Amino acid sequence: AQKVTQAQTEISVVEKEDVTLDCVYETRDTTYYLFWYKQPPSGELVFLIRRNSFDEQNEISGRYSWNFQKSTSSFNFTITASQVVDSAVYFCALRVMEYGNKLVFGAGTILRVKS
Amino acid sequence: KAGVTQTPRYLIKTRGQQVTLSCSPISGHRSVSWYQQTPGQGLQFLFEYFSETQRNKGNFPGRFSGRQFSNSRSEMNVSTLELGDSALYLCASSLDSPYEQYFGPGTRLTVT
Repeated sequence: AQKVTQAQTEISVVEKEDVTLDCVYETRDTTYYLFWYKQPPSGELVFLIRRNSFDEQNEISGRYSWNFQKSTSSFNFTITASQVVDSAVYFCALRVMEYGNKLVFGAGTILRVKS
Repeated sequence: KAGVTQTPRYLIKTRGQQVTLSCSPISGHRSVSWYQQTPGQGLQFLFEYFSETQRNKGNFPGRFSGRQFSNSRSEMNVSTLELGDSALYLCASSLDSPYEQYFGPGTRLTVT
């Protein structure tokens, strides 16, 4: 069975602080993809990153960075110098190849950035 | 490029009625997936259509159905609505697996 756990229900930080959102996944498959999505109050899920199981290289995009570690089945997301506009719900998701485009989502982490 | 569009954005129905939601994918995308989002269950996969064929199905009762047209537009239908069907229904499109899915703004369904 596939499962994604986001243990942090809600995180509050002050603007300019760095924050890391945790994601732990479970799957027996060797080929899979991991994703992060952002859901602002408007409700639309915004794609942030996709990572396949054979690529453990960390990625940085502006203030965003992702750390993928197969040894601990984790795919954590760090926002550097957080801003109020980063306030949203963040979802980690898993896709296993045999299930096509089906995404299994974690429960989400609410991030509140205060000015 | 225009994003994924969903209509209507808001809907209020009463128990026992049926409802049809519509999704227009990004141009060129052939895969359309539907998800239900509720506070209690989170985001759950309903089904996926690719080239007018249902390719995957989630664990939902048969009251939930869908279809895809030749232009890749998709509809989902919920019959005999129950109070528990109140949710945000999100549609996502992609070129195919394993490409990333892009989501629409959702349809907020309220069943009274």
